[in-house]
Amino acid sequence: QVQLVQSGAEVKKPGSSVKVSCKASGGTFSSYTISWVRQAPGQGLEWMGRIIPILGIANYAQKFQGRVSITADKSTSTAYMELSSLRSEDTAVYYCARESSGCWFDPWGQGTLVTVSS
Amino acid sequence: NFMLTQPHSVSESPGKTVTISCTRSSGSIASNYVQWYQQRPGSSPTTVTYEDNLRPSGVPDRFSGSIDSSSNSASLTISGLKTEDEADYYCQSYDSSNHVVFGGGTKLTVL
Repeated sequence: QVQLVQSGAEVKKPGSSVKVSCKASGGTFSSYTISWVRQAPGQGLEWMGRIIPILGIANYAQKFQGRVSITADKSTSTAYMELSSLRSEDTAVYYCARESSGCWFDPWGQGTLVTVSS
Repeated sequence: NFMLTQPHSVSESPGKTVTISCTRSSGSIASNYVQWYQQRPGSSPTTVTYEDNLRPSGVPDRFSGSIDSSSNSASLTISGLKTEDEADYYCQSYDSSNHVVFGGGTKLTVL
């Protein structure tokens, strides 16, 4: 079955960027949609955006427009989420998840903690 | 865009039945599928129901999802509560642009 494995924890300075990867195994990567969801400490889930690798098309939540870029490399079955102009409020666990046609997420990656601190 | 509102917390005893609500602020709850996720501390979310009332394989039939147009809400019902059901539960839907909306989450305590 599909498994998503994310890159390791990151510590970043305010104003910098972070790029998190999500490598898929099982199934046909180019036929997936991959979404990114974040969760600040003690808070709920927040959708950031998605990419459809077979089309190379990404779309983003309005809140993150202009600050996030989601890409995919079909040759390595890996999706990426890059968030720029980091601030302390971006400290969160970032998850990738495969999105099914009914707009539900399964499976999820294990999460990547990004800490933004000076 | 719309919001999905959940109670902050619910509690119930083992063996009992609990229902968690998820109310859509505008637009019809029936317009777009609703999903429910379970998240235990320190773990990634997992799907317990999808497309309003379907269960992924491996999820026990103690978990059931439904929608109610009269209250414009979705519900997750867990019967025969077990201590292992103690977790945070999130509802999720999407708008006409396929932008995803999550509820704020409900902490279920099984005492």
